[in-house]
Amino acid sequence: GQQLNQSPQSMFIQEGEDVSMNCTSSSIFNTWLWYKQDPGEGPVLLIALYKAGELTSNGRLTAQFGITRKDSFLNISASIPSDVGIYFCAGQRRPSGTYKYIFGTGTRLKVLA
Amino acid sequence: DSGVTQTPKHLITATGQRVTLRCSPRSGDLSVYWYQQSLDQGLQFLIQYYNGEERAKGNILERFSAQQFPDLHSELNLSSLELGDSALYFCASSVEMDTLNTEAFFGQGTRLTVV
Repeated sequence: GQQLNQSPQSMFIQEGEDVSMNCTSSSIFNTWLWYKQDPGEGPVLLIALYKAGELTSNGRLTAQFGITRKDSFLNISASIPSDVGIYFCAGQRRPSGTYKYIFGTGTRLKVLA
Repeated sequence: DSGVTQTPKHLITATGQRVTLRCSPRSGDLSVYWYQQSLDQGLQFLIQYYNGEERAKGNILERFSAQQFPDLHSELNLSSLELGDSALYFCASSVEMDTLNTEAFFGQGTRLTVV
C-alpha cells in the first residue's frame, strides 16, 4: 500500500536529549498530521499542520509543514521516558471527493533513562 | 478519549470464519476510515466512507467489505479469514467540509487473532 517515507525508522536516545524525525513524499499534501501510538493503543493526534511553512508547537513538541508541501518534520525537546512509542506522520490531500490520509512507516522511539 | 468507539477490543476466531468489527465515530463526524496494522507495521488504509457512501478504497481484499449506516456507525466485515489477517484494525473519523481543514481521530482498535 501507499505510505510516506519516514526516518529514522527507530532511535534510542538518552533522557533529556532532543529528537528529530521527518516524513517525505513525492506528492504534495494539503495537511500534515503527527500521531503517537503506544503499544496496543490507537494513534493519538499530536499536531496538525495546514499551511506550507507553518511551525506549530504542542508542549515539548514542534512540527513544521515543509515549504515544498512534500515533507514535514517533528522535533521533541528534552525527551522523557514517556515519550517512548511509535510516531507516525500522515499526509492528506484532496483529490476531488476524497480526503484520504496516507501514513508514514513510523519512527520507533526508545528513551534510555 | 478520542470519542471514537470500536468494538470488540479483542477477537479470536478460526480460519475460514467471518467476523464483523464495529466503529462509532465522534459525534458530528461524517467520515469513517478503516486501517489495518499488522505486527510492527505501519497503518494500511483500507477504505473510507462519508455520510453513508464509499469515498475511497485502499488495498482492501475482496474478502473484506465495509458499510456505513444512517446513524453513521460503520462495520468492517472480514470473511474467509486467514492467519495473515491477524492484525489490529483501527477506525478513525473526521469532520469533512470542503472549506475546512480536518483531523482524523482514532479509536482504540480491535485486535483480531486468527488461529
